[in-house]
Amino acid sequence: DAGVIQSPRHEVTEMGQEVTLRCKPISGHNSLFWYRQTMMRGLELLIYFNNNVPIDDSGMPEDRFSAKMPNASFSTLKIQPSEPRDSAVYFCASRRGGTEETQYFGPGTRLLVL
Amino acid sequence: GENVEQHPSTLSVQEGDSAVIKCTYSDSASNYFPWYKQELGKRPQLIIDIRSNVGEKKDQRIAVTLNKTAKHFSLHITETQPEDSAVYFCAASMGNNDMRFGAGTRLTVKP
Repeated sequence: DAGVIQSPRHEVTEMGQEVTLRCKPISGHNSLFWYRQTMMRGLELLIYFNNNVPIDDSGMPEDRFSAKMPNASFSTLKIQPSEPRDSAVYFCASRRGGTEETQYFGPGTRLLVL
Repeated sequence: GENVEQHPSTLSVQEGDSAVIKCTYSDSASNYFPWYKQELGKRPQLIIDIRSNVGEKKDQRIAVTLNKTAKHFSLHITETQPEDSAVYFCAASMGNNDMRFGAGTRLTVKP
């Protein structure tokens, strides 16, 4: 099992540019979560999907952030336009669902917006 | 929604001593309580979890206790070692809903 896969692992971009983060959940998992982690705010849930359907996006900071899950094996988190305050580590996690509630995290994408 | 509070935010212990981290939650419907360990620059990884139908669970030097009446749960690490140094997060969830994390505890084990 390859675990949750995220790409890119590191991203450096300039303010105003579009950033797209990608996630491949563990095969057979039916829930996917996007988190943002900073020193100041800790680990924040941005949005999560059950069976590819967005369930709760109340954690998405503002309209500059959007997330999609077109199929069970792929999700994207897009920031457009990016700002320096978006600099953080973005984690994707997946969960099998049903009686299996454990979330498994990907390696994260370290984003730096200059 | 669920709110999870975690204390202390930092904890320093001498190698061989025990460490205890405490969390409280607000939603009495929460029934799953995992603990994650995050080493510097790495992803959070599950170290132990407990469900609401048990009061205590142990795995070698790690144990978790749950008090549903008081809505709090704790992580206990005995015989701490330098490699236990990390940030520890508690979390709470119910069913297939989202999971809420505590703010984290930075544990330092001094050799």
